[in-house]
Amino acid sequence: AQKITQTQPGMFVQEKEAVTLDCTYDTSDPSYGLFWYKQPSSGEMIFLIYQGSYDQQNATEGRYSLNFQKARKSANLVISASQLGDSAMYFCAMREGRQGGKLIFGQGTELSVKP
Amino acid sequence: GAVVSQHPSWVICKSGTSVKIECRSLDFQATTMFWYRQFPKQSLMLMATSNEGSKATYEQGVEKDKFLINHASLTLSTLTVTSAHPEDSSFYICSGGSSLAAQETQYFGPGTRLLVL
Repeated sequence: AQKITQTQPGMFVQEKEAVTLDCTYDTSDPSYGLFWYKQPSSGEMIFLIYQGSYDQQNATEGRYSLNFQKARKSANLVISASQLGDSAMYFCAMREGRQGGKLIFGQGTELSVKP
Repeated sequence: GAVVSQHPSWVICKSGTSVKIECRSLDFQATTMFWYRQFPKQSLMLMATSNEGSKATYEQGVEKDKFLINHASLTLSTLTVTSAHPEDSSFYICSGGSSLAAQETQYFGPGTRLLVL
């Protein structure tokens, strides 16, 4: 069963607008972590934001925020004020159990920012 | 943030040869590192968990005799693709986590692109 699902293979957004990238997950472990990474064409994985399952507040990092809805098992990434440099692949990932454990990745969403 | 390096960044080899990829954590100690493989237009798939001083744990379907992992120190893990074939051509990327980080983060190396001719 797919544990991390990203249902948007590709997304377009106008420069300076906000965009939401969807991510749903499935786990029975009460302790887990959710990550978002950006992967430009160079291939490097750039860490964007992290949300722990016990965190009460939604995580925010600059223009990135994570809309964490635990009951719905969703962890959507919101990018505000999109920039041309935001065009890349975006991956949602989940870590089950103890901190520092392996990550399971979603299929990814390719974001294209239009000028 | 913490830095993870990989070497080489690119490698082209003939079918049947072995290729070693190094993954180093430059400013933190990693008792555990992870090796992923990514085919074009696909997601990252975990291959194995590299444990310092002990045997690696391989994911289902990954041949342990083909993908040899050695984690000899807290800062170095190596992946050796033995008797490489064209179907092994892929992007290999490692990651490690820092127990000292205030916030949990897994840091990825820049990746190694392998092309087997």
